[in-house]
Amino acid sequence: SAVISQKPSRDICQRGTSLTIQCQVDSQVTMMFWYRQQPGQSLTLIATANQGSEATYESGFVIDKFPISRPNLTFSTLTVSNMSPEDSSIYLCSVERTGEDTEAFFGQGTRLTVV
Amino acid sequence: QQQVKQSPQSLIVQKGGISIINCAYENTAFDYFPWYQQFPGKGPALLIAIRPDVSEKKEGRFTISFNKSAKQFSLHIMDSQPGDSATYFCAASNLNAGGTSYGKLTFGQGTILTVHP
Repeated sequence: SAVISQKPSRDICQRGTSLTIQCQVDSQVTMMFWYRQQPGQSLTLIATANQGSEATYESGFVIDKFPISRPNLTFSTLTVSNMSPEDSSIYLCSVERTGEDTEAFFGQGTRLTVV
Repeated sequence: QQQVKQSPQSLIVQKGGISIINCAYENTAFDYFPWYQQFPGKGPALLIAIRPDVSEKKEGRFTISFNKSAKQFSLHIMDSQPGDSATYFCAASNLNAGGTSYGKLTFGQGTILTVHP
């Protein structure tokens, strides 16, 4: 399995501010993924982050709102910009390990509350 | 086209019973079907996954049944235990053309499983 550490684990933020979430993996991975899980809901992919290239965003998510950095093969950040209460969610980092059995692993998530 | 539909929304079973959760998909390009277990305050943890070249995969008390023609797959939890009480998500993905990634997952809506002692 992969060990994925996310920081912070939770935060309460004022509307209009920004929060940067960090994701650290215990080994090098090609692709990292950011998901959002709204309260009581399923997971929705925000974007895919490759090292050395621009992140690829899914429909409904834009770079100005969710800028992503991927400076190396073990680290990524997601920023939630100009937050509103609707951004209150759990944000999750995910990585893929390829091999005989490819698996996708998740961090423990960052629980964000915007007030 | 990209949806994965999961049912039931919630499920209550007695200890020792069988829990069955079903998922259906539309996109025939999907070729990787994992199931995740999520406890409150935690990220989803991979339980078991299957590819469409097999119809069933078993790991311990957990079994995935896969019906390619019906575009359906299900999770069976045998001898359900109170510790199995969690939210379960099915998901689907497909290998990117020319790539190796299954990490771009489409999730079902989730099933809250409660196992009574």
